[in-house]
Amino acid sequence: KQEVTQIPAALSVPEGENLVLNCSFTDSAIYNLQWFRQDPGKGLTSLLLIQSSQREQTSGRLNASLDKSSGRSTLYIAASQPGDSATYLCAVYFGNEKLTFGTGTRLTIIP
Amino acid sequence: DAGITQSPRYKITETGRQVTLMCHQTWSHSYMFWYRQDLGHGLRLIYYSAAADITDKGEVPDGYVVSRSKTENFPLTLESATRSQTSVYFCASKREGTSDTQYFGPGTRLTVL
Repeated sequence: KQEVTQIPAALSVPEGENLVLNCSFTDSAIYNLQWFRQDPGKGLTSLLLIQSSQREQTSGRLNASLDKSSGRSTLYIAASQPGDSATYLCAVYFGNEKLTFGTGTRLTIIP
Repeated sequence: DAGITQSPRYKITETGRQVTLMCHQTWSHSYMFWYRQDLGHGLRLIYYSAAADITDKGEVPDGYVVSRSKTENFPLTLESATRSQTSVYFCASKREGTSDTQYFGPGTRLTVL
Protein backbone atom coordinates (compact mmCIF):
# COMPACT_ATOMS: atom_id res chain seq x y z
CA LYS A 1 0.00 0.00 0.00
CA GLN A 2 1.28 3.45 -0.89
CA GLU A 3 1.60 5.48 2.30
CA VAL A 4 2.93 8.85 3.39
CA THR A 5 4.21 9.38 6.92
CA GLN A 6 5.07 12.57 8.77
CA ILE A 7 6.96 12.53 12.04
CA PRO A 8 6.72 14.20 14.48
CA ALA A 9 3.01 14.94 14.73
CA ALA A 10 3.76 18.18 16.58
CA LEU A 11 6.78 20.44 16.91
CA SER A 12 7.45 23.61 18.90
CA VAL A 13 10.45 25.83 18.27
CA PRO A 14 11.48 29.33 19.40
CA GLU A 15 11.05 32.19 16.97
CA GLY A 16 14.04 32.80 14.72
CA GLU A 17 15.25 29.22 14.59
CA ASN A 18 15.63 27.24 11.42
CA LEU A 19 13.67 23.99 11.34
CA VAL A 20 13.09 20.89 9.26
CA LEU A 21 9.87 18.96 8.77
CA ASN A 22 10.06 15.38 7.56
CA CYS A 23 8.00 13.31 5.16
CA SER A 24 8.56 9.71 4.10
CA PHE A 25 6.77 7.63 1.47
CA THR A 26 6.68 3.94 0.72
CA ASP A 27 6.97 3.85 -3.08
CA SER A 28 9.81 5.57 -4.92
CA ALA A 29 7.86 5.61 -8.22
CA ILE A 30 6.28 9.00 -7.64
CA TYR A 31 5.22 11.72 -10.07
CA ASN A 32 5.57 14.62 -7.67
CA LEU A 33 5.44 15.59 -4.03
CA GLN A 34 3.73 18.62 -2.57
CA TRP A 35 3.86 20.48 0.70
CA PHE A 36 0.72 22.22 1.94
CA ARG A 37 0.00 24.50 4.84
CA GLN A 38 -3.27 24.38 6.77
CA ASP A 39 -4.30 27.03 9.27
CA PRO A 40 -6.89 26.12 11.92
CA GLY A 41 -10.39 25.98 10.46
CA LYS A 42 -9.13 26.72 6.97
CA GLY A 43 -8.43 24.89 3.76
CA LEU A 44 -5.06 23.83 2.40
CA THR A 45 -2.64 26.19 0.70
CA SER A 46 -0.01 24.79 -1.63
CA LEU A 47 3.52 25.82 -0.63
CA LEU A 48 5.84 23.90 -2.91
CA LEU A 49 5.56 21.21 -5.55
CA ILE A 50 8.59 19.08 -6.48
CA GLN A 51 8.50 17.06 -9.66
CA SER A 52 10.00 13.57 -9.56
CA SER A 53 12.91 14.75 -11.72
CA GLN A 54 13.79 17.57 -9.31
CA ARG A 55 15.85 17.50 -6.14
CA GLU A 56 14.52 20.64 -4.51
CA GLN A 57 12.32 23.70 -4.77
CA THR A 58 12.58 27.03 -3.02
CA SER A 59 10.10 29.75 -2.23
CA GLY A 60 11.23 32.57 0.00
CA ARG A 61 12.22 31.12 3.38
CA LEU A 62 11.00 27.66 2.40
CA ASN A 63 13.06 24.96 0.77
CA ALA A 64 11.76 21.50 0.00
CA SER A 65 13.99 18.59 -0.96
CA LEU A 66 13.20 15.24 -2.50
CA ASP A 67 15.17 11.99 -2.32
CA LYS A 68 13.20 9.34 -4.18
CA SER A 69 15.71 6.56 -3.58
CA SER A 70 15.31 6.85 0.18
CA GLY A 71 11.62 7.77 0.03
CA ARG A 72 12.07 11.05 1.87
CA SER A 73 11.32 14.72 1.58
CA THR A 74 12.11 17.56 3.92
CA LEU A 75 10.66 21.04 4.26
CA TYR A 76 13.20 23.52 5.59
CA ILE A 77 11.90 26.76 7.10
CA ALA A 78 14.50 29.45 7.71
CA ALA A 79 14.29 32.10 10.40
CA SER A 80 10.93 30.93 11.72
CA GLN A 81 8.23 33.45 12.61
CA PRO A 82 5.06 33.17 14.71
CA GLY A 83 3.06 33.43 11.48
CA ASP A 84 4.58 30.13 10.38
CA SER A 85 2.53 28.35 13.04
CA ALA A 86 0.23 25.97 11.22
CA THR A 87 -0.12 22.33 10.24
CA TYR A 88 2.12 21.27 7.37
CA LEU A 89 0.98 18.43 5.17
CA CYS A 90 3.02 16.39 2.75
CA ALA A 91 1.21 14.79 -0.20
CA VAL A 92 2.44 12.48 -2.96
CA TYR A 93 1.20 11.72 -6.46
CA PHE A 94 1.91 8.04 -6.99
CA GLY A 95 0.84 8.28 -10.64
CA ASN A 96 -2.89 7.77 -10.47
CA GLU A 97 -4.15 11.38 -10.40
CA LYS A 98 -4.84 11.01 -6.68
CA LEU A 99 -2.89 12.65 -3.90
CA THR A 100 -1.96 10.56 -0.87
CA PHE A 101 -1.56 12.71 2.23
CA GLY A 102 0.44 12.33 5.38
CA THR A 103 -1.25 13.13 8.67
CA GLY A 104 0.69 16.36 9.06
CA THR A 105 3.02 18.07 11.51
CA ARG A 106 1.49 20.76 13.72
CA LEU A 107 4.12 23.48 14.03
CA THR A 108 4.11 26.08 16.80
CA ILE A 109 6.57 28.96 16.75
CA ILE A 110 7.11 30.35 20.23
CA PRO A 111 7.58 34.17 20.30
CA ASP B 1 -15.21 35.82 -6.91
CA ALA B 2 -12.78 33.56 -8.67
CA GLY B 3 -11.66 30.40 -6.94
CA ILE B 4 -13.21 27.39 -5.30
CA THR B 5 -16.08 27.70 -2.85
CA GLN B 6 -17.98 25.28 -0.67
CA SER B 7 -21.40 25.54 0.91
CA PRO B 8 -22.57 25.34 3.54
CA ARG B 9 -19.52 25.99 5.70
CA TYR B 10 -21.16 24.39 8.71
CA LYS B 11 -23.95 21.82 8.85
CA ILE B 12 -25.60 19.90 11.65
CA THR B 13 -27.93 17.07 10.71
CA GLU B 14 -29.42 13.94 12.18
CA THR B 15 -28.71 10.29 11.51
CA GLY B 16 -30.61 9.03 8.48
CA ARG B 17 -31.11 12.37 6.77
CA GLN B 18 -29.86 13.18 3.30
CA VAL B 19 -27.28 15.94 3.08
CA THR B 20 -25.70 17.56 0.03
CA LEU B 21 -22.47 19.49 0.18
CA MET B 22 -21.80 21.86 -2.69
CA CYS B 23 -18.55 22.69 -4.43
CA HIS B 24 -18.08 25.28 -7.15
CA GLN B 25 -14.93 26.35 -9.00
CA THR B 26 -14.49 29.19 -11.45
CA TRP B 27 -11.28 28.08 -13.18
CA SER B 28 -12.83 25.45 -15.49
CA HIS B 29 -10.42 22.89 -14.04
CA SER B 30 -10.91 19.40 -15.42
CA TYR B 31 -10.39 17.56 -12.17
CA MET B 32 -12.36 17.90 -8.96
CA PHE B 33 -11.97 15.97 -5.72
CA TRP B 34 -13.77 15.38 -2.44
CA TYR B 35 -11.78 14.61 0.71
CA ARG B 36 -12.69 14.12 4.32
CA GLN B 37 -10.35 15.08 7.13
CA ASP B 38 -10.46 13.28 10.45
CA LEU B 39 -8.12 13.39 13.42
CA GLY B 40 -5.56 10.65 13.12
CA HIS B 41 -6.40 9.86 9.50
CA GLY B 42 -5.39 12.96 7.65
CA LEU B 43 -7.15 13.67 4.37
CA ARG B 44 -8.73 10.74 2.62
CA LEU B 45 -10.13 10.83 -0.89
CA ILE B 46 -13.84 10.05 -1.19
CA TYR B 47 -14.52 10.56 -4.91
CA TYR B 48 -12.96 12.39 -7.79
CA SER B 49 -13.96 13.48 -11.26
CA ALA B 50 -11.75 13.85 -14.33
CA ALA B 51 -14.37 15.78 -16.32
CA ALA B 52 -18.10 16.39 -16.51
CA ASP B 53 -20.02 13.11 -16.32
CA ILE B 54 -16.88 11.16 -15.33
CA THR B 55 -16.48 10.17 -11.69
CA ASP B 56 -14.49 7.54 -9.85
CA LYS B 57 -14.19 6.17 -6.33
CA GLY B 58 -11.44 7.11 -3.97
CA GLU B 59 -10.30 5.49 -0.75
CA VAL B 60 -13.51 5.86 1.30
CA PRO B 61 -16.54 6.10 -1.05
CA ASP B 62 -19.09 4.07 0.92
CA GLY B 63 -22.16 6.08 1.94
CA TYR B 64 -21.47 8.91 -0.51
CA VAL B 65 -22.79 9.77 -3.96
CA VAL B 66 -21.40 12.33 -6.42
CA SER B 67 -22.43 13.78 -9.72
CA ARG B 68 -20.89 16.21 -12.15
CA SER B 69 -23.24 17.48 -14.80
CA LYS B 70 -21.28 20.75 -15.20
CA THR B 71 -17.53 21.27 -15.15
CA GLU B 72 -17.71 23.88 -12.39
CA ASN B 73 -19.87 21.98 -9.90
CA PHE B 74 -19.21 18.78 -7.97
CA PRO B 75 -21.82 18.10 -5.27
CA LEU B 76 -21.33 15.40 -2.65
CA THR B 77 -24.43 13.71 -1.22
CA LEU B 78 -24.70 11.65 1.92
CA GLU B 79 -27.82 9.64 1.16
CA SER B 80 -28.44 8.53 4.76
CA ALA B 81 -26.05 10.27 7.13
CA THR B 82 -24.35 8.31 9.90
CA ARG B 83 -22.40 9.53 12.93
CA SER B 84 -19.21 8.16 11.40
CA GLN B 85 -19.61 10.70 8.62
CA THR B 86 -19.08 13.57 11.05
CA SER B 87 -15.99 15.19 9.60
CA VAL B 88 -14.58 18.18 7.76
CA TYR B 89 -15.07 17.86 4.02
CA PHE B 90 -12.79 19.54 1.50
CA CYS B 91 -13.31 20.00 -2.18
CA ALA B 92 -10.35 20.54 -4.50
CA SER B 93 -9.72 21.09 -8.18
CA LYS B 94 -6.81 21.01 -10.59
CA ARG B 95 -5.96 21.30 -14.25
CA GLU B 96 -5.40 18.17 -16.26
CA GLY B 97 -1.95 16.65 -15.94
CA THR B 98 0.00 15.33 -12.99
CA SER B 99 2.34 18.31 -12.75
CA ASP B 100 -0.21 20.70 -11.35
CA THR B 101 -1.12 21.32 -7.75
CA GLN B 102 -4.59 20.93 -6.30
CA TYR B 103 -6.47 23.99 -5.09
CA PHE B 104 -8.61 23.49 -2.02
CA GLY B 105 -11.84 25.04 -0.88
CA PRO B 106 -12.33 26.31 2.69
CA GLY B 107 -14.09 23.14 3.87
CA THR B 108 -17.48 22.18 5.28
CA ARG B 109 -17.71 21.05 8.89
CA LEU B 110 -20.46 18.43 9.10
CA THR B 111 -21.83 17.10 12.36
CA VAL B 112 -24.21 14.14 12.33
CA LEU B 113 -26.13 13.73 15.60
